[in-house]
Amino acid sequence: GQNIDQPTEMTATEGAIVQINCTYQTSGFNGLFWYQQHAGEAPTFLSYNVLDGLEEKGRFSSFLSRSKGYSYLLLKELQMKDSASYLCAVFSDQTGANNLFFGTGTRLTVIP
Amino acid sequence: SQTIHQWPATLVQPVGSPLSLECTVEGTSNPNLYWYRQAAGRGLQLLFYSVGIGQISSEVPQNLSASRPQDRQFILSSKKLLLSDSGFYLCAWRGGTGVTEAFFGQGTRLTVV
Repeated sequence: GQNIDQPTEMTATEGAIVQINCTYQTSGFNGLFWYQQHAGEAPTFLSYNVLDGLEEKGRFSSFLSRSKGYSYLLLKELQMKDSASYLCAVFSDQTGANNLFFGTGTRLTVIP
Repeated sequence: SQTIHQWPATLVQPVGSPLSLECTVEGTSNPNLYWYRQAAGRGLQLLFYSVGIGQISSEVPQNLSASRPQDRQFILSSKKLLLSDSGFYLCAWRGGTGVTEAFFGQGTRLTVV
């Protein structure tokens, strides 16, 4: 299966920058996605990377290195509402069809 | 625009009872449909996916089954629930065959007692 690893919890200060790392091991890799999930709610899409490099979307950026099996999500100018879980997901056809496989998520707490 | 509806939002069921969760998608045709389960403190586990009517693939062996009777309808079922079936169930859809994001329904919180 897919081995997707993320830190379990992180804490950061309002206004600061935080980087959430994700490493993965899979065959049939076709892309990496990041989702945000507030407690008790459905995940919402943030960004995805297919090729190596940095993708920027406002306060959120995501980076991918396929050779290293590594991605990170960068959140700038943190706001209290950014407190949520951040899910790294690999888009892979390892099981015969392109599907999204998720890590366990990183719970981010933003403090004043 | 596309929307996804999932119901019920919460459900408490006794062990051994049947289950039926329904998910429908509007505003798109021939979507890829998914059922995920999220246990407390754990990640999303892919249970079933479907690329078309009547086409169901299972990712993990389990006490659940899925059906797709119509293009935009996906149903998750069980004949007899187990305590271990408790969790947060999420339906999702994805369009196209390329690298596209999945969009999730609001989820069903199932507690088996």
